[in-house]
Amino acid sequence: AQRVTQPEKLLSVFKGAPVELKCNYSYSGSPELFWYVQYSRQRLQLLLRHISRESIKGFTADLNKGETSFHLKKPFAQEEDSAMYYCALMTEYGNKLVFGAGTILRVKS
Amino acid sequence: GAGVSQSPRYKVAKRGQDVALRCDPISGHVSLFWYQQALGQGPEFLTYFQNEAQLDKSGLPSDRFFAERPEGSVSTLKIQRTQQEDSAVYLCASSLVIRVGRTEETQYFGPGTRLLVL
Repeated sequence: AQRVTQPEKLLSVFKGAPVELKCNYSYSGSPELFWYVQYSRQRLQLLLRHISRESIKGFTADLNKGETSFHLKKPFAQEEDSAMYYCALMTEYGNKLVFGAGTILRVKS
Repeated sequence: GAGVSQSPRYKVAKRGQDVALRCDPISGHVSLFWYQQALGQGPEFLTYFQNEAQLDKSGLPSDRFFAERPEGSVSTLKIQRTQQEDSAVYLCASSLVIRVGRTEETQYFGPGTRLLVL
């Protein structure tokens, strides 16, 4: 079975500091990895996916198959980045997303 | 255009009551998903439709849970004889394409229905 682990429930940083939200997964095949974000009072939305290799709102994430990780990084946090972040996995065979438990990011001024 | 909508947004049910949760996907979206999100957890997959066909119901926790999408658009998730452990946010998501290989497909989520069973 697939599993996604986000070890931190809460990450609190100061504005302008670097951010790294950790995500590890357990799956032996070729997964597709995603980061979803939920801002206060908004619905869950896609932030980025590893296959696109994009930088969205200054965030990047690199899939490391050796370490089975997909950490989300941003060099300089902004207050508007405060939100709940979910890492998710999709196998090459199915359509469902397998989510981690989420990490709350708080950016303090 | 309009996103995925869900109704009701909040539902309080007495234990043993039946509930029906509705999802209106984005127009034209072929795939529709239901997820259950318990407090403090990430969403967990319940079931998946491709048009009107329910292709995967492996996540439904018991036979009290039933989902349908009879005309390939609106979907209803029904929970019979609700129990306290059914209290959660129920999320619906839709996507445009049938996933074939590594397509650039995104699941768009609705606002969720928060169910509280007393």
